[in-house]
Amino acid sequence: AQTVTQSQPEMSVQEAETVTLSCTYDTSESDYYLFWYKQPPSRQMILVIRQEAYKQQNATENRFSVNFQKAAKSFSLKISDSQLGDAAMYFCAYRKNPSNYGGATNKLIFGTGTLLAVQP
Amino acid sequence: SQTIHQWPATLVQPVGSPLSLECTVEGTSNPNLYWYRQAAGRGLQLLFYSVGIGQISSEVPQNLSASRPQDRQFILSSKKLLLSDSGFYLCAWEKTAALGYEQYFGPGTRLTVT
Repeated sequence: AQTVTQSQPEMSVQEAETVTLSCTYDTSESDYYLFWYKQPPSRQMILVIRQEAYKQQNATENRFSVNFQKAAKSFSLKISDSQLGDAAMYFCAYRKNPSNYGGATNKLIFGTGTLLAVQP
Repeated sequence: SQTIHQWPATLVQPVGSPLSLECTVEGTSNPNLYWYRQAAGRGLQLLFYSVGIGQISSEVPQNLSASRPQDRQFILSSKKLLLSDSGFYLCAWEKTAALGYEQYFGPGTRLTVT
């Protein structure tokens, strides 16, 4: 079974600095998607970034970028120029690509989250 | 653009009472829809998903059920709530394979069973 592990329960960063959140996953599949979601105190889940496993290029979205190491099964999130609004719980998530199987393999598997604090 | 709505935002119900949480999506057709539950300080647990009207798959045997009476409506129900049903319930819709299966979440319902 696939699992997602976030080994850092809490992290802290100074405003304007850079922070990296770690995520590792376990799967025997070769075709899958990885995501980072942000959950601020309002508790609404917000998609931050997506990475397709077949792409070698790391995804970037403005100040957010990932370091995707497929062989190591590692998917870290880097937040540059941290802002106070970045303070939130961050979840890493994995989804197998169901298109090769012809059936419903719809599960998005989440890690346990990393709580990021941003210090002014 | 697509939007997803959930209501109510907050609900306090006594043990043994029924439950109905509603989720609707606008701006897309035939989306995959999901119900998740999140306990305090925890990750998300998938409860149900639906790939079309009347098609429901359950991930975890429990006191809850789901229905999809219309293409963009997803309902989470219970006949008799348990204390363990307390939590934060999130509905999500999913983009197609061409758009990377991204899931977008509603604002959630905070349920407290007393």
